[in-house]
Amino acid sequence: GDSVTQMEGPVTLSEEAFLTINCTYTATGYPSLFWYVQYPGEGLQLLLKATKADDKGSNKGFEATYRKETTSFHLEKGSVQVSDSAVYFCALSVNTGNQFYFGTGTSLTVIP
Amino acid sequence: NAGVTQTPKFRVLKTGQSMTLLCAQDMNHEYMYWYRQDPGMGLRLIHYSVGEGTTAKGEVPDGYNVSRLKKQNFLLGLESAAPSQTSVYFCASRSTHQPQHFGDGTRLSIL
Repeated sequence: GDSVTQMEGPVTLSEEAFLTINCTYTATGYPSLFWYVQYPGEGLQLLLKATKADDKGSNKGFEATYRKETTSFHLEKGSVQVSDSAVYFCALSVNTGNQFYFGTGTSLTVIP
Repeated sequence: NAGVTQTPKFRVLKTGQSMTLLCAQDMNHEYMYWYRQDPGMGLRLIHYSVGEGTTAKGEVPDGYNVSRLKKQNFLLGLESAAPSQTSVYFCASRSTHQPQHFGDGTRLSIL
């Protein structure tokens, strides 16, 4: 079945450090891939997306590239800030289905 | 610009009580979803709807019922609340081939 596996946290980084959060997927059909971010006490917000192989999604300095050959969609940011502290979820949807599949979330804390 | 609105935001129930969580969206989205979020388990789909008058089971439907009588509203019901249903509940909506938009959640405690 369709599923997403993402790197377990929590992750703690110093401000301006490089961030990578790994995400791999299993899917039937041709999935679209997403990263969502959840700040404390809030719902999930779409951070970026990619709808086909080799697409790169980007937003607020975050990037992720849809790699079909490795079935991966790793999230990266070159220089994290304290305000990036949140929980990050990788997700997929298959265009033939109605459901989204979420990873378990990775908690990121950035310290000054 | 409300987006997805969930009511209530917090609720405490006693075991065996019933309640209904309301989700309302003003974006004319066809699809609506109810998830629960528990520590270490991410988001798990309870029920979803692909249009007015339709509902379908997700990954963890037991103990919950839903209704979608109007396109803009998706109700989640607990007929007889159990402590295992203590969780944060999120509603989401989307249009075809688009990402989901989430509400801010309902924090529910069952004593």
